[in-house]
Amino acid sequence: AQSVSQHNHHVILSEAASLELGCNYSYGGTVNLFWYVQYPGQHLQLLLKYFSGDPLVKGIKGFEAEFIKSKFSFNLRKPSVQWSDTAEYFCAVNPSGGSYIPTFGRGTSLIVHP
Amino acid sequence: EAQVTQNPRYLITVTGKKLTVTCSQNMNHEYMSWYRQDPGLGLRQIYYSMNVEVTDKGDVPEGYKVSRKEKRNFPLILESPSPNQTSLYFCASFSGFLPGELFFGEGSRLTVL
Repeated sequence: AQSVSQHNHHVILSEAASLELGCNYSYGGTVNLFWYVQYPGQHLQLLLKYFSGDPLVKGIKGFEAEFIKSKFSFNLRKPSVQWSDTAEYFCAVNPSGGSYIPTFGRGTSLIVHP
Repeated sequence: EAQVTQNPRYLITVTGKKLTVTCSQNMNHEYMSWYRQDPGLGLRQIYYSMNVEVTDKGDVPEGYKVSRKEKRNFPLILESPSPNQTSLYFCASFSGFLPGELFFGEGSRLTVL
């Protein structure tokens, strides 16, 4: 079974700082990768996804993620964070073939100070 | 508007009093799932369903039941709730076509006293 590790559990930044949240997965086959965001008091929503092609994926609100197959990683980045980016971020993985049973990481709580 | 609707959004109950959290989606999705979210533990899958009358256990199924009699509905049943089931619950659906995304409901915050 696949697993997902998010190494940063809590991140605190000031506005305009750069962000990188780590995500590593363990699975030997082809995967689809996702980042979801949960703003305070809200449900999860998709930030970006990768399934094939260019390993650098751009999502909403200036976020991007890079899939590095050799490192089993899918790190999320943003060059300059805003106070409104304060949220919890979840990385998710599911195998490309077979049943769709996504596995989520434990999440990273991001607080951005104005 | 495409959405996943959960009810109730908030509930306080007592140990042992059966309750049901409903989940309905209007996107004709085949796949539906229930998660619980707890601080420091992230999202953990309780049960999922690949289609009508097809359900299976996730990572933390103990104390929960589900049913999938219709494609749009996937209720979560707590037959005898206990305080350790106090949590935030999310229902999610997915079309079944990869690489697809999960669509989440607004969440149901349950407190068991």
